Amino acid sequence: AQSVSQHNHHVILSEAASLELGCNYSYGGTVNLFWYVQYPGQHLQLLLKYFSGDPLVKGIKGFEAEFIKSKFSFNLRKPSVQWSDTAEYFCAVNDLGSARQLTFGSGTQLTVLP
Amino acid sequence: ETGVTQTPRHLVMGMTNKKSLKCEQHLGHNAMYWYKQSAKKPLELMFVYSLEERVENNSVPSRFSPECPNSSHLFLHLHTLQPEDSALYLCASSQEQGAYEQYFGPGTRLTVT
Repeated sequence: AQSVSQHNHHVILSEAASLELGCNYSYGGTVNLFWYVQYPGQHLQLLLKYFSGDPLVKGIKGFEAEFIKSKFSFNLRKPSVQWSDTAEYFCAVNDLGSARQLTFGSGTQLTVLP
Repeated sequence: ETGVTQTPRHLVMGMTNKKSLKCEQHLGHNAMYWYKQSAKKPLELMFVYSLEERVENNSVPSRFSPECPNSSHLFLHLHTLQPEDSALYLCASSQEQGAYEQYFGPGTRLTVT
């Protein structure tokens, strides 16, 4: 079964710091990859997605993620975080094998200090 | 506005009660999902419906009973729940079942006393 690991459970940064959140998955076949964000008191929203093509994908609010197939990774980055980026971030993987289910990581809580 | 709405937003129920959660999507999608979100744990997929037919049931206890009367509506009927069932229950939809991105509702915060 597919599994998704987000190694950082809680990250605390000051405004303007750079961000990188790790995501690794276990399935070795073809996958679709997603990052979702959940702001305090709000619903899960899609931040960005990778289906195919350029492994560096850009999402909303200045976020980007890089798919490295050889490392089974899809890390999320932002060069300069803002206080409004405080939220929980979830990596999700949809393997295109028989299961075709969306498997989520346990999430990373990002706190940005003003 | 996500296009996926859920009611109620909060629910407190005793272990002997029967209640239902409702989800409605306004996106014209053909697939709908129920997830359970507990603190510090990954989202757990509970049920998947595609074109109103259940296609996935991830070993969910029978005290949770889904219903999908049409492609826009999804219900989760609850009865004789346990305190460990307290969690945020999320509904999602996608264009088709499978590899497409999913759109989530705000969730129902359920507390079982």
